[in-house]
Amino acid sequence: EVQLVESGGGLVKPGGSLRLSCAVSGFTFSNAWMSWVRQAPGKGPEWVARIQSRTDGGTIDYAAPVKGRFTISRDDSKNTLYLQLNSLKPEDTALYYCASEYNWNYDHWGQGTLVTVSS
Amino acid sequence: IVMTQTPLSSPVTLGQPASISCRSSQSLVHSDGNTYFSWLHQRPGQPPRLLIYEISKRSSGVPDRFSGSGAGTDFTLKISRVEAEDVGVYYCMQATQFPWSFGQGTKVEIK
Repeated sequence: EVQLVESGGGLVKPGGSLRLSCAVSGFTFSNAWMSWVRQAPGKGPEWVARIQSRTDGGTIDYAAPVKGRFTISRDDSKNTLYLQLNSLKPEDTALYYCASEYNWNYDHWGQGTLVTVSS
Repeated sequence: IVMTQTPLSSPVTLGQPASISCRSSQSLVHSDGNTYFSWLHQRPGQPPRLLIYEISKRSSGVPDRFSGSGAGTDFTLKISRVEAEDVGVYYCMQATQFPWSFGQGTKVEIK
């Protein structure tokens, strides 16, 4: 059974930092292209960051609103995806999902971890 | 690419049809000839789930009362007979051009 389990969310003040994790099981993580997708309350999903598999080059991309503040990484030995969130803003408040990519779609999603940025 | 859905809310009667439209700000035909346009369904408290991909192909386990159509910039999701489990928010998504983008969602609820 495929499982993606996010953790690390919480309440943080503007300017603060958090590190999100996504533990993956049920498929070969090292071959997967992985993304973080966030969803603000009452809004549609928004892609945040993507990391390719190392065998495909490991290219990393970021959405414009988070570039320079967020860092995506992966540890294939631990089957875990990470997202380091720095210089957080209130508009970063959202449920953060990790998702795997397959055939031009997100084929598996976690349940999400909530990040709330408020003073 | 901006994805715009209509309507934003759709109250429907059980057993009746429902239809949702999505328009993209530019053509979703990829240079390889495919159109990477999908529909996703999200129930309350759950992550989105893939429903339809490449305009009209149903994902594994999706009932045949769901159908997708369209081309270029205009796409439609139809539910032939709405059932109680179909409530939630439906999103269109494009993966033709990076970054992938989503519509703002259409909430389907029972009258």
